[in-house]
Amino acid sequence: NAGVTQTPKFQVLKTGQSMTLQCAQDMNHEYMSWYRQDPGMGLRLIHYSVGAGITDQGEVPNGYNVSRSTTEDFPLRLLSAAPSQTSVYFCASSLRSGYGYTFGSGTRLTVV
Amino acid sequence: AQTVTQSQPEMSVQEAETVTLSCTYDTSESDYYLFWYKQPPSRQMILVIRQEAYKQQNATENRFSVNFQKAAKSFSLKISDSQLGDAAMYFCAYRSPAGSWAKLVFGQGTRLTINP
Repeated sequence: NAGVTQTPKFQVLKTGQSMTLQCAQDMNHEYMSWYRQDPGMGLRLIHYSVGAGITDQGEVPNGYNVSRSTTEDFPLRLLSAAPSQTSVYFCASSLRSGYGYTFGSGTRLTVV
Repeated sequence: AQTVTQSQPEMSVQEAETVTLSCTYDTSESDYYLFWYKQPPSRQMILVIRQEAYKQQNATENRFSVNFQKAAKSFSLKISDSQLGDAAMYFCAYRSPAGSWAKLVFGQGTRLTINP
């Protein structure tokens, strides 16, 4: 049982480049989310989805795009990378409302 | 909007002793869930314990227990018989009914050091 799989684990981008962070889960979870983690600020919600075809914005959505065409996959797209997007990104999934989220191992992204 | 506050950026404890990490939250909702997550140096987020707001009984998982005070909006984590493997960042989190229960709000974290 792989759980939540994120790729890549590390990435360096130049300002203005675009890329997609991949996230897949094999637990048939309805809920999926993307968070970013910055020092001293905990984890902040970027976008979330409550099922295939349904997405919504979280606390810090600007500069990011998501889609959810299948239950398993929830990719995060950086449209035009900026140094302010340097962070660690986590994808997470959850079965239902009262359960805790299961997290992927994270992607450390550096924008230069 | 809900907020979660962890007022202790760092804590330290001697191995085998007990330590309590503090968490307070602000909400107008009556139904919600609270969690403590552990993040060791590996960066992996690990669920430690879960509390349902409508249950008065405090949750317990082996050496980990919580003190949930709903009226005071307080949710502290007690670690008994601390072990070296408990060294990590600990995050308190609140799961809100907003957004169809999808949103998880985190505190800033507490770095726990275990002294041998």
